[in-house]
Amino acid sequence: DQQVKQNSPSLSVQEGRISILNCDYTNSMFDYFLWYKKYPAEGPTFLISISSIKDKNEDGRFTVFLNKSAKHLSLHIVPSQPGDSAVYFCAASGGSSNTGKLIFGQGTTLQVKP
Amino acid sequence: GAGVSQSPSNKVTEKGKDVELRCDPISGHTALYWYRQSLGQGLEFLIYFQGNSAPDKSGLPSDRFSAERTGGSVSTLTIQRTQQEDSAVYLCASGGQPGAYYEQYFGPGTRLTVT
Repeated sequence: DQQVKQNSPSLSVQEGRISILNCDYTNSMFDYFLWYKKYPAEGPTFLISISSIKDKNEDGRFTVFLNKSAKHLSLHIVPSQPGDSAVYFCAASGGSSNTGKLIFGQGTTLQVKP
Repeated sequence: GAGVSQSPSNKVTEKGKDVELRCDPISGHTALYWYRQSLGQGLEFLIYFQGNSAPDKSGLPSDRFSAERTGGSVSTLTIQRTQQEDSAVYLCASGGQPGAYYEQYFGPGTRLTVT
C-alpha cells in the first residue's frame, strides 16, 4: 500500500511563475513531512520540512502547506527558476516506529522553462 | 564539510553473484539509513541503524539482504545471490542530529545492475 502519493508524475511551468507540487498521505500517525529535490545521478537533497503541529512553513522561495484534515501537503515555489528543474519527492515520518525512517512518494518531475 | 559518500558509484554484476555496497556517513551522525530506488519508483526504506544496532530491518526485501555498521560509522549493505529485480539505485542517508531528527542527508547512491 502506498502511504505517500504524488499523483502528478510531471509538471511544467514558465520561469517566474508559481510551481505547486502536491502530495497525499494515508497514515494519520505521520507527524513530520519533508520535501527533497533530486538531480540526475545525485542523491536527494533536503529542501524544506513541516511538523504536523503547523500548517505552513516558509523558507525563501519555498513554502510548504499542510492540511491535516485532508491528509494533503503541497510545496509552492515562487518565483520558479530554471535551476529548480529536478525531481521533487515528498516524504513522511513518525507513527508507531518513530525511527525517523522516511516514507517517500513516487516523485514529481518539475520542468521550469526559461 | 564532507557529506555522505558511497562506493562504488556503479556496479554491474552477474545474476547469482554477491555484492557489497559501502556507505560513509557524515561524521557524528548517529542514525544511518539505507533506501533503494527502482526505476520509476520512489525511494523505498530498507534498514535503519542507530549507532551499530539495527532496530528496524523491516524494509529488507529478503534474507539475501543484510547490512552491518561498525564503529558507529561505516556501513555495508550486502546482497547475496543477486537477482535481476535487485537492480536499483541504493542510497544511504545519515542524520539524527538533535533538533533535526528527521532530516536526512543522502549520498549519491550506488547504481546496481544485475545482468
